[in-house]
Amino acid sequence: DAKTTQPNSMESNEEEPVHLPCNHSTISGTDYIHWYRQLPSQGPEYVIHGLTSNVNNRMASLAIAEDRKSSTLILHRATLRDAAVYYCILTPRGSGGSNYKLTFGKGTLLTVNP
Amino acid sequence: KAGVTQTPRYLIKTRGQQVTLSCSPISGHRSVSWYQQTPGQGLQFLFEYFSETQRNKGNFPGRFSGRQFSNSRSEMNVSTLELGDSALYLCASTPGFGQYFGPGTRLTVL
Repeated sequence: DAKTTQPNSMESNEEEPVHLPCNHSTISGTDYIHWYRQLPSQGPEYVIHGLTSNVNNRMASLAIAEDRKSSTLILHRATLRDAAVYYCILTPRGSGGSNYKLTFGKGTLLTVNP
Repeated sequence: KAGVTQTPRYLIKTRGQQVTLSCSPISGHRSVSWYQQTPGQGLQFLFEYFSETQRNKGNFPGRFSGRQFSNSRSEMNVSTLELGDSALYLCASTPGFGQYFGPGTRLTVL
């Protein structure tokens, strides 16, 4: 499986935008980019996913570089509730349920200051 | 819709015992995956079931097993518990893209 590299930690102030980077230089052409987050004492939560184009949903935006070797999760206005560990995960597209096996790295611990 | 539910939420066992954990997926989701989370190893994939069949398996010993019922509910079993099995066990279901996780079962092995 292709690997991802994320900073160990980042800090933000409340109501400011946050840009969480992820490098995936060995990504293959059919790998999807997923982001999950895990709030303290909870299971991981799906945030967003994309393949080539930038994506937006009610939680966040995903900006994917043109060469797909990196991506950025954007939280437009951080709140205290966004403090969590954010995971960038690649999943291969294919048959046999390969999309259902997530390989989590260490993620980025986001601290949001009031 | 109700989320993924896991029971029990907390469990204490002793070495050598066995344990069964239960997971009820979101209604309509046919795929259920199980993960183990420990401070040292992070989140690791155990196995995935779809339509009562194990479709994917992680790198865990045979003491870890699971099954899925016709209503998509799933159970995982750990036999001959070891101290290192103390962890948060998470279950996730998916409609296809995006996995929806339950709150987990915290297992402590003494």
